[in-house]
Amino acid sequence: DTGVSQDPRHKITKRGQNVTFRCDPISEHNRLYWYRQTLGQGPEFLTYFQNEAQLEKSRLLSNRFSAERPKGSFSTLEIQRTEQGDSAMYLCASSLASLAGGYNEQFFGPGTRLTVL
Amino acid sequence: TQLLEQSPQFLSIQEGENLTVYCNSSSVFSSLQWYRQEPGEGPVLLVTVVTGGEVKKLKRLTFQFGDARKDSSLHITAAQTGDTGLYLCAPRDDKIIFGKGTRLHILP
Repeated sequence: DTGVSQDPRHKITKRGQNVTFRCDPISEHNRLYWYRQTLGQGPEFLTYFQNEAQLEKSRLLSNRFSAERPKGSFSTLEIQRTEQGDSAMYLCASSLASLAGGYNEQFFGPGTRLTVL
Repeated sequence: TQLLEQSPQFLSIQEGENLTVYCNSSSVFSSLQWYRQEPGEGPVLLVTVVTGGEVKKLKRLTFQFGDARKDSSLHITAAQTGDTGLYLCAPRDDKIIFGKGTRLHILP
């Protein structure tokens, strides 16, 4: 399968613990995006990378959230000191942005479902 | 932030029936996209509409962009159980801002 993959698919943690999720984009896709989806809502944009550079992080929900893409391939999203309100589906997407610009379709992974007890 | 309202929020109909769901805003968009999200999966892009009044067909699905480019509709003919899912609309953008979606359930 050459689509976007995310690991783990499900995570249950206790309030106050740190969690880290991994996203592997489609090979050679240079852009990678993170979204959060809570029950009954559409996905909410959090942050995105072009290669290693994080181009937008102002929409990360709090300073407990951070994301990295150190080698421009896979990315990790970390939530520190989890709270019950962090329970949600965390989705990753990737796209191939060309030098010519223009819109690039995002392909989404299956998500990591986080439950904070 | 451009606010998109999707209606209805929930729709449950019998297989074989027709349905229409809506995506409305007070803002003008250069383009709108429709996605379908199945349970346990991420959204998948169905179509992008760009021109006011544009109609695009994808098998039994018909998408229309309003003349004023403020709204869009999705019509499904002879719904099938495989059409079940969350239908999301969003302006075309790198930082996608989705509506809340319409959760569609097709009963066998």
